[in-house]
Amino acid sequence: IAGITQAPTSQILAAGRRMTLRCTQDMRHNAMYWYRQDLGLGLRLIHYSNTAGTTGKGEVPDGYSVSRANTDDFPLTLASAVPSQTSVYFCASTSGENNEQFFGPGTRLTVL
Amino acid sequence: GQNIDQPTEMTATEGAIVQINCTYQTSGFNGLFWYQQHAGEAPTFLSYNVLDGLEEKGRFSSFLSRSKGYSYLLLKELQMKDSASYLCAVMDSNYQLIWGAGTKLIIKP
Repeated sequence: IAGITQAPTSQILAAGRRMTLRCTQDMRHNAMYWYRQDLGLGLRLIHYSNTAGTTGKGEVPDGYSVSRANTDDFPLTLASAVPSQTSVYFCASTSGENNEQFFGPGTRLTVL
Repeated sequence: GQNIDQPTEMTATEGAIVQINCTYQTSGFNGLFWYQQHAGEAPTFLSYNVLDGLEEKGRFSSFLSRSKGYSYLLLKELQMKDSASYLCAVMDSNYQLIWGAGTKLIIKP
């Protein structure tokens, strides 16, 4: 692994189903983030984690949950998907130096 | 509320210079970032300004005026591969990034 990986690349999901988006980084970065990106809107922060074992809510956390059991992994779970959660989801991490965030390739999620 | 404004779309000619503006109103300021995002790809870091002035990095430069809540990204000697969206983001008092909607730059030959 080099950098940040996300899985799946894309997914079509029926409304009401549970879904976990995976994110793994091998840079030993402390802070990790989940964003959603919708056409015409800026990236919006869903949840974040400043270090393993801690998480926090971002701008649009409703309907999503996260966990941070270790430094490398930061999964995002949709407990019961709704069509408004159709979006492109990006995971990002930062070491804190210059606060530069590194992004994963994204997951394109469609909820029908 | 917090707000980042940047033009939706700009068009420029290959070999020319283009300036993309960004104005912001945020609760606190811990730096301003510019990212490049090609269609269907992830954003990639271009520049970071925390003090007033111009930061130059090759063909790209970024300027910041904290008193005016203003920044611009200057791209010189435009190449076709510079066709992308350019995202302005401000780190607020909670050290979270607030993002603009992005400026889609179209380069014509």
